Amino acid sequence: QKEVEQNSGPLSVPEGAIASLNCTYSDRGSQSFFWYRQYSGKSPELIMFIYSNGDKEDGRFTAQLNKASQYVSLLIRDSQPSDSATYLCASLEGYQKVTFGIGTKLQVIP
Amino acid sequence: EAGVVQSPRYKIIEKKQPVAFWCNPISGHNTLYWYLQNLGQGPELLIRYENEEAVDDSQLPKDRFSAERLKGVDSTLKIQPAELGDSAVYLCASSLGLTGTQYFGPGTRLLVL
Repeated sequence: QKEVEQNSGPLSVPEGAIASLNCTYSDRGSQSFFWYRQYSGKSPELIMFIYSNGDKEDGRFTAQLNKASQYVSLLIRDSQPSDSATYLCASLEGYQKVTFGIGTKLQVIP
Repeated sequence: EAGVVQSPRYKIIEKKQPVAFWCNPISGHNTLYWYLQNLGQGPELLIRYENEEAVDDSQLPKDRFSAERLKGVDSTLKIQPAELGDSAVYLCASSLGLTGTQYFGPGTRLLVL
């Protein structure tokens, strides 16, 4: 079992809709969680991070963390075609290592 | 501020040949990571440096892979000899200490024929 699990997708949403990307983790010692966006042929870039239970909002992006359920999500409101990319979830485990999931491919249909 | 620099961007070699990748991290970043990324997968850590010290190399195939970070700045990752299965993107990232807030270079795409 991978330590950070993501559905590889693709997740297809119409333009203007809310895209919901999900991630589960197995290590209860994980403190912080990170969402990266990776366009095809490019390197990952950090979108946002979260370390407290609840929601964290940044523009059109909202990260949600539920440590009891070991679940992290990223919501993208008013999805745009330019949001089409692979979204990687990563966890910082015990201040020892950072582990990435396989990423979920998002397709925003105009 | 300059980002993480990697070279070469692309490399095509024949199997059993050696290959080396170079990374220059963001100025002041003491932590440097080398990742391998296969198509459809997330980055997988090969080695992490804190300054000059390799503090996590548990996933580095030491029979053919080696790395160094002299003077705690630039780093080189070497494969000798390369195998067909080494074809992938090799990403370098840097950060201030161990954190999930990492800055990635453009990567080196390696194709082993």
